[in-house]
Amino acid sequence: AQSVTQLDSQVPVFEEAPVELRCNYSSSVSVYLFWYVQYPNQGLQLLLKYLSGSTLVKGINGFEAEFNKSQTSFHLRKPSVHISDTAEYFCAVSRSSGYALNFGKGTSLLVTP
Amino acid sequence: DTGVSQDPRHKITKRGQNVTFRCDPISEHNRLYWYRQTLGQGPEFLTYFQNEAQLEKSRLLSDRFSAERPKGSFSTLEIQRTEQGDSAMYLCASSSGERTQQFFGPGTRLTVL
Repeated sequence: AQSVTQLDSQVPVFEEAPVELRCNYSSSVSVYLFWYVQYPNQGLQLLLKYLSGSTLVKGINGFEAEFNKSQTSFHLRKPSVHISDTAEYFCAVSRSSGYALNFGKGTSLLVTP
Repeated sequence: DTGVSQDPRHKITKRGQNVTFRCDPISEHNRLYWYRQTLGQGPEFLTYFQNEAQLEKSRLLSDRFSAERPKGSFSTLEIQRTEQGDSAMYLCASSSGERTQQFFGPGTRLTVL
């Protein structure tokens, strides 16, 4: 079975500062990895995904993530955050794209002026 | 593309009552997923369909839960004899098959009194 651990439940950061949200996964097989964002009172939206190929994945809104197989990590980064990035971020893993997603518990990103 | 829709958006019921939720996926998406999200947690997989066939069910899906997708289009999730522990956000997602992302609906928030 695949599982995900999001190491930080809350990350406070100042506007225009860089941010990294950490995600580690465990799996005995090859996996597919995803980051979703959930804005207040809105549905989940895909930020980016790693299926295969380049380990550096670029997503929407200036976010990127790097797949590191040796460290079983898929950390999410943004070089300069905006107030509007305040949201809940979920890392998810699947044994194959198109199958059930196993989500982490989420990281709450709070961006302040 | 109108997105995934769910009805109702909110449901308040008394313990012991039956409730039914509906999900309309993006048209022509052949895969449909149900997840449950409790406060402060990431979504947890319940079940998924490919067309009208229910292909996978989580251990979380007790005998009181049943899901259908009779014509391979919309889906219903019924909970019988609701319990307070069933209070959660029930999320529906759809995708067009393998190697594609899951699009999430806004969810149905269930409160069991």
